[in-house]
Amino acid sequence: DSGVTQTPKHLITATGQRVTLRCSPRSGDLSVYWYQQSLDQGLQFLIQYYNGEERAKGNILERFSAQQFPDLHSELNLSSLELGDSALYFCASSPREGMGTEAFFGQGTRLTVV
Amino acid sequence: AQSVTQLGSHVSVSEGALVLLRCNYSSSVPPYLFWYVQYPNQGLQLLLKYTSAATLVKGINGFEAEFKKSETSFHLTKPSAHMSDAAEYFCAVITGFQKLVFGTGTRLLVSP
Repeated sequence: DSGVTQTPKHLITATGQRVTLRCSPRSGDLSVYWYQQSLDQGLQFLIQYYNGEERAKGNILERFSAQQFPDLHSELNLSSLELGDSALYFCASSPREGMGTEAFFGQGTRLTVV
Repeated sequence: AQSVTQLGSHVSVSEGALVLLRCNYSSSVPPYLFWYVQYPNQGLQLLLKYTSAATLVKGINGFEAEFKKSETSFHLTKPSAHMSDAAEYFCAVITGFQKLVFGTGTRLLVSP
């Protein structure tokens, strides 16, 4: 158990809908990172938050957004969903602003868009 | 930009045989390198990491990797494969922006 909790584990929704994925980092970790794992793109970095502020953006679509709340949990919002958004979404956390040598991943949320 | 390349999307071995999963890195600065394992329907678990200390790194479940600067490689090995080692393995490097960049993954198949 990495200590990073993601909910829900599975999500099935229709095209055009909006969903919210939730991540609770390890106790004491200030940074949260979101990754997308798909068959065609592999593991891609989406976005990072540190202590409530956005720190870095990767290959994140404009239809996607995220935030980190004062209690440090994070939510990834995916809207106007398309079939191609079906993927495994991972959250990771680390104590400091960068991943450094310590990054712990959650079990992921498997999103299926039908 | 820092990146890793994993050679072979699938590797098949027999139980008890040597496991060798290849990873080459590209980096203009001394890299931090990682191997992660993903079991079916599971998350990513850290196997081992190289952070410029010893070049031979030992990880969990009997895996180890050797950092070879001259070959820009960080191959993952295990002397004797077990059925439970069947999984997908990802090599990763930390970029200058302190994010993990992953390789495309290698699926290890272990036959009895």
